[in-house]
Amino acid sequence: AQSVSQHNHHVILSEAASLELGCNYSYGGTVNLFWYVQYPGQHLQLLLKYFSGDPLVKGIKGFEAEFIKSKFSFNLRKPSVQWSDTAEYFCAVNAFRNGNKLVFGAGTILRVKS
Amino acid sequence: NAGVTQTPKFQVLKTGQSMTLQCAQDMNHEYMSWYRQDPGMGLRLIHYSVGAGITDQGEVPNGYNVSRSTTEDFPLRLLSAAPSQTSVYFCASSPRDRPYEQYFGPGTRLTVT
Repeated sequence: AQSVSQHNHHVILSEAASLELGCNYSYGGTVNLFWYVQYPGQHLQLLLKYFSGDPLVKGIKGFEAEFIKSKFSFNLRKPSVQWSDTAEYFCAVNAFRNGNKLVFGAGTILRVKS
Repeated sequence: NAGVTQTPKFQVLKTGQSMTLQCAQDMNHEYMSWYRQDPGMGLRLIHYSVGAGITDQGEVPNGYNVSRSTTEDFPLRLLSAAPSQTSVYFCASSPRDRPYEQYFGPGTRLTVT
């Protein structure tokens, strides 16, 4: 079945550590890719998005993601995390064959220790 | 702009009760969607609408009804609540030219006992 996979459900890091969260999808063809973040007690916010062009996308708060088409991946990175990055992160994919629907991964809970 | 608003924030229901979760947006977005969020399962699409008067089923529509009489409002109705519907419900909206770029409401946490 076509899906979006996030490899780690829980990640614990110390402040200043580097972060990489994996996201793979199984849709062929043209895709639009998103990372959303949900801080504790808050609603989902768009962190960054990829539609086309430069496969390295920069988002808010120092996050970036790289689209690797050959690997069907869209991994999220941040060179140095802060305690305030503690949140749940969701990868989401829109495949043109799915129309306007977004399919979400299961989410990765990141806890940053101060 | 208030963005996407949802009421109530919290609700407890008994099995078999019905209720409506409200969602409104003031961005004049054509597309609106309802998701449920369950631990370890991400967000799953319940129903969506591409404009007033038009709705369609998502991934997990059973037990839920929707209607879209205006562009602004997209209520979700639980006809006969079941414990399996205990979840956090998010409403989202998006513009016609970027339908997959969704703006989310704050969510409604529903518990069915």
